[in-house]
Amino acid sequence: DQQVKQNSPSLSVQEGRISILNCDYTNSMFDYFLWYKKYPAEGPTFLISISSIKDKNEDGRFTVFLNKSAKHLSLHIVPSQPGDSAVYFCAAEDSGANNLFFGTGTRLTVIP
Amino acid sequence: EAGVAQSPRYKIIEKRQSVAFWCNPISGHATLYWYQQILGQGPKLLIQFQNNGVVDDSQLPKDRFSAERLKGVDSTLKIQPAKLEDSAVYLCASSRSGVTETQYFGPGTRLLVL
Repeated sequence: DQQVKQNSPSLSVQEGRISILNCDYTNSMFDYFLWYKKYPAEGPTFLISISSIKDKNEDGRFTVFLNKSAKHLSLHIVPSQPGDSAVYFCAAEDSGANNLFFGTGTRLTVIP
Repeated sequence: EAGVAQSPRYKIIEKRQSVAFWCNPISGHATLYWYQQILGQGPKLLIQFQNNGVVDDSQLPKDRFSAERLKGVDSTLKIQPAKLEDSAVYLCASSRSGVTETQYFGPGTRLLVL
């Protein structure tokens, strides 16, 4: 039972354009959401997060949007750079249950 | 500060053999996690420690998997006996305290069971 879903396994974007990665969740108890970035042969690294009390959080080129009614969040990267090429995992937690659930990941390729 | 260390990085074993993985979390981090990441899937939590106590091991296959965190620092994850479906990357992560704190991941141990 996949509670966090990333339906696009891959995405290719031209350098300088916007990358939009999407994530859907099913558990309405989730109250904190994170994006992790993973390079080959490395562990995931934290990128950006958002609490359920917000609908947007911005950090430099990265912005996460949360639509609680649709149980949907997205990560926007603008402008995209070749170094952004990696696998991006969406994760969600119910802070009361003390567990973090990951999506299956989206492989982003930024073409120079 | 030094990151999360894991060893070995790669391991190949035959089914029914046993294997152990080691993790050294970031200094001062009270919470330690072991995740299993099967190819094409996201990481799945196996067990979570707070200091040297188990917080959540509900998804740990206890008939073959065991983990310990002696003295609340290093941790080992053991599989005995291994099955083909245990082939995965085993990730260790740590956080200052609890899952609401950012988790920092190690590079993982890639296990192949033949």
